[in-house]
Amino acid sequence: GENVEQHPSTLSVQEGDSAVIKCTYSDSASNYFPWYKQELGKGPQLIIDIRSNVGEKKDQRIAVTLNKTAKHFSLHITETQPEDSAVYFCAASKRDMRFGAGTRLTVKP
Amino acid sequence: NAGVTQTPKFQVLKTGQSMTLQCAQDMNHNSMYWYRQDPGMGLRLIYYSASEGTTDKGEVPNGYNVSRLNKREFSLRLESAAPSQTSVYFCASSEAAGVPQETQYFGPGTRLLVL
Repeated sequence: GENVEQHPSTLSVQEGDSAVIKCTYSDSASNYFPWYKQELGKGPQLIIDIRSNVGEKKDQRIAVTLNKTAKHFSLHITETQPEDSAVYFCAASKRDMRFGAGTRLTVKP
Repeated sequence: NAGVTQTPKFQVLKTGQSMTLQCAQDMNHNSMYWYRQDPGMGLRLIYYSASEGTTDKGEVPNGYNVSRLNKREFSLRLESAAPSQTSVYFCASSEAAGVPQETQYFGPGTRLLVL
């Protein structure tokens, strides 16, 4: 089945800096790649997603890139703010959704 | 709209006890899911229901059973709880029937401790 690896497991940045989280997947048939943000004590919430026919997608300060050949995709957050502090999960989906282990992002004011 | 609701929020069980986790959604979604979240392992799919009346196993179904009671409700049952089932359980739903490539909406989770 699909295997998703996510790096780094923890990331600390200064407010205003950029943050990058990377994921790799194993099943070349996966065609949907969402990113979820989970705040403390809450369920995950979708922040951005990308499909396999698109190489890049941007939504304000958040962007996702997909390299199908290398089977990896990345989340980019620019101009980070303290409220961006959370755990971020990538996922890959074909028949069902497989999640990465998560990245705990801390944005220091 | 409440979205996805889960009860209870927290539960302590002794090994061998049984319990049912309840989940309901008010978004008229067709698909519903149960995940468990363990430290360092992300979310793993236990069971899902692509439409009312159907259920399928996910990645880690052993020790669990599910019931899609109606379109709104999807319950998860532990028949004989084990310490390895200590986890945070999330229910989720999505609009389409049997289409995993779309947004899933998650509930707030149930924290289960099995002693």
